[in-house]
Amino acid sequence: AQKVTQAQTEISVVEKEDVTLDCVYETRDTTYYLFWYKQPPSGELVFLIRRNSFDEQNEISGRYSWNFQKSTSSFNFTITASQVVDSAVYFCALSEARVDSGGSNYKLTFGKGTLLTVNP
Amino acid sequence: GAVVSQHPSWVICKSGTSVKIECRSLDFQATTMFWYRQFPKQSLMLMATSNEGSKATYEQGVEKDKFLINHASLTLSTLTVTSAHPEDSSFYICSADWEGFEQYFGPGTRLTVT
Repeated sequence: AQKVTQAQTEISVVEKEDVTLDCVYETRDTTYYLFWYKQPPSGELVFLIRRNSFDEQNEISGRYSWNFQKSTSSFNFTITASQVVDSAVYFCALSEARVDSGGSNYKLTFGKGTLLTVNP
Repeated sequence: GAVVSQHPSWVICKSGTSVKIECRSLDFQATTMFWYRQFPKQSLMLMATSNEGSKATYEQGVEKDKFLINHASLTLSTLTVTSAHPEDSSFYICSADWEGFEQYFGPGTRLTVT
């Protein structure tokens, strides 16, 4: 069974600080996808990134960057120069393929989430 | 593109009544839709997976007779909470899968059972 661990339950920083959210995963699949989602107080999940297991290149998107280390089964997320609007719960998720009576599909397993609070 | 809507966005019902939540993929056809439940300050837990035209697959511990899922078309799935009780109060989120590993999430429905 797959598992996603986000050890940091809550993080509090001051605006403009850099912050890294950790994510460690477990899976027996050789092909899998990793995701990060942001959930602001409104509740709607905001997709941030998808990374497949064969692509270990780090990615940068504006103030966001992701570090995928297959050797340590980690997929960490860094926000540079944090802003108050970054305050939210961030979820790391892992997808695995499965086959059931309805055909093949993919199951997402979420970590417990990290509540990030950015103070002015 | 890839917009998923849910209706209603919030609902309050009395204990013992049933509530139906709709999930629609607005600009694509979704062969598979998923239903999640999220309690306050907790993570999303998958309740069931529904494929168009077939019975839903429920996760372990989820009561099939209580949470009825119907995926009647490629753009609509419904979750009916039957005989709701206060412990069913939660945030219900649906997602739709479009031919890939990515799921597009709806905005969620907040259910309060009094």
